[in-house]
Amino acid sequence: GAVVSQHPSWVICKSGTSVKIECRSLDFQATTMFWYRQFPKQSLMLMATSNEGSKATYEQGVEKDKFLINHASLTLSTLTVTSAHPEDSSFYICSASHRGSSYNSPLHFGNGTRLTVT
Amino acid sequence: GENVEQHPSTLSVQEGDSAVIKCTYSDSASNYFPWYKQELGKGPQLIIDIRSNVGEKKDQRIAVTLNKTAKHFSLHITETQPEDSAVYFCAAPSGTSGTYKYIFGTGTRLKVLA
Repeated sequence: GAVVSQHPSWVICKSGTSVKIECRSLDFQATTMFWYRQFPKQSLMLMATSNEGSKATYEQGVEKDKFLINHASLTLSTLTVTSAHPEDSSFYICSASHRGSSYNSPLHFGNGTRLTVT
Repeated sequence: GENVEQHPSTLSVQEGDSAVIKCTYSDSASNYFPWYKQELGKGPQLIIDIRSNVGEKKDQRIAVTLNKTAKHFSLHITETQPEDSAVYFCAAPSGTSGTYKYIFGTGTRLKVLA
């Protein structure tokens, strides 16, 4: 149980275009989902916390107009990288915790999306 | 806020030996500590976790110990195998139940030599 599916697993796009990444909890409901960015050989950097039915909370330094997050249902959150540039190339990972869980409950991660902007 | 430090950054062991990775945290209110394994090109996978009401938890070759007084917790892998080679991250929660997030350590790249 506790499977998180992330799509696409990799995407190549041209500079100036937008890319949408989907994160789905397949066998549980997730009130909260988290979006991370990971540079090569580095740790996970939290970008934003996505709450179902409300606006996402962005970490300091993360542009909310650049990285649009929508959490329209208890099983789906999307991250849209708008007007992508080569510096947005990275590994993006989502995670989710069970509905009703608190901060001492496990996070379940998707398999990440490798974004390359040319 | 919570601060998590993880050591070592890289670790090489011979197959069959044990590996130990340590993390320290700063927020004494933290009461849940997960460990994740990340293989190349994949998302992190939860391998073991511990809550503050116990000092040790074991699952086959993997164990985690927690010292709340010293605010550190460790991952122990015994009888290491080549498939244990990966990057391991510790984490600790920050915030309250209403608005929380996890702070991750900087990761340990474990290499098990056959």
